[in-house]
This record gives sequence, structure tokens and C-alpha cells, in this order.
Amino acid sequence: DARVTQTPRHKVTEMGQEVTMRCQPILGHNTVFWYRQTMMQGLELLAYFRNRAPLDDSGMPKDRFSAEMPDATLATLKIQPSEPRDSAVYFCASGLWRQGPDTQYFGPGTRLTVL
Amino acid sequence: AQKITQTQPGMFVQEKEAVTLDCTYDTSDQSYGLFWYKQPSSGEMIFLIYQGSYDEQNATEGRYSLNFQKARKSANLVISASQLGDSAMYFCAMRAKTTSGTYKYIFGTGTRLKVLA
Repeated sequence: DARVTQTPRHKVTEMGQEVTMRCQPILGHNTVFWYRQTMMQGLELLAYFRNRAPLDDSGMPKDRFSAEMPDATLATLKIQPSEPRDSAVYFCASGLWRQGPDTQYFGPGTRLTVL
Repeated sequence: AQKITQTQPGMFVQEKEAVTLDCTYDTSDQSYGLFWYKQPSSGEMIFLIYQGSYDEQNATEGRYSLNFQKARKSANLVISASQLGDSAMYFCAMRAKTTSGTYKYIFGTGTRLKVLA
């Protein structure tokens, strides 16, 4: 049963520290998404990649956030420096792009707490 | 502006009854996709059903069906024969093109469904 994996599952850090979240998409999927979920803002798309190329990162605060795909099996989301308002659950999702139902399969999320 | 609206923050339904979760959307794009996801208390997001803007038939997946009314810009989720395991948060989402040609994925604020025994 193929799944998206995310590490770490939980992260507590202090303001100003660098945070790196990792995602392993489902093998064969060519699209990777990063979302952030908070009570106040709901689910927001931060960025997404297709065939490892960034297609849209307009939802991401550029000054402190960066997203990369070093290879087809790894996507990373980095926050530097982290701030308390970054506290949220960060989801990675992967999918196989096509014009029809490009279903996104979500990982379990990384719960980030910035103190 | 592209937007998804879910006006029901919470819903109750008796076990074995059907329930409709409302979703309206706004987009000027002619080609778009509509999705429903389920988020149980454990936190994972589970894909339920998809409807393309050009699909003439309403989508169905098991006990889930999507009541697509294009002129009204609504894409309501119908769950038939509710089960206790259906208790969860449900999100409506849309994929639509931006002016720059990329795709945006927009989620609604969700509806929390509680199935009563």
C-alpha cells in the first residue's frame, strides 16, 4: 500500500531556529504539493512541483520559506528563521498529473510548534 | 476571485441516514476540477471524489456522490447510509487555472460531520 511519508511527524523548536521538513512522495508520482493547515487560515497551498520543477510557490512567504526537490524521491520544506506564527500542521501530498482527477495523496503531516 | 465556500461549520446526521454537505465555488475559468476530502480526527486527508467541470454526469464513488450544479456553481457532497466512521471534517476543494497559467488548489473551511448512533 503506497503512501506518502513525512518526517518528522512532530517538531518543537524555538523561534529563530531552522526547521526542515521532508517528504517522500509515492513512487511514480510526478507532482508534489506542500500545504499548511491552521485553525485560523485553514488549508493553504504553499507550493507545488511537477517533475521536480517548482510550478507555483506564490502561497509561500519567500523571505523565510524555501521548498526544493533534490530528487524524485525527496521534497523538502525549510523555514529559516522560524517564528511562532509558523506553528501549524504541514502536509505534503503527491499525485500523478493529468487533466482529469489528479488525485492528491496526502502524507500524515508534520506538526510544527515554534515557541 | 477564486473561492470555495462551505457554509456549514458543523452537521449532525443519524446513522444510516443520508446527509448533504454544501459547497459553492467561484471561478472564471471554464476548465476546473472539484474535489472532496475527508479528514478524520487522526489528521490525515483522504480523497473521496472528483468532478470535472466538463463532466456531464455527477460523480459517484461508493456511498459518496457529488451533486454538481454548474449554473449554481455548487458541488455538494452526498453521503448515503451514514456510518459512525464517517464522523470527520470534510473539505471541498477546487483546482483552477490562474492568470499566469499555473493551477491553484483552493480549499474551503470545512464542515465537521458527526454521525449519531
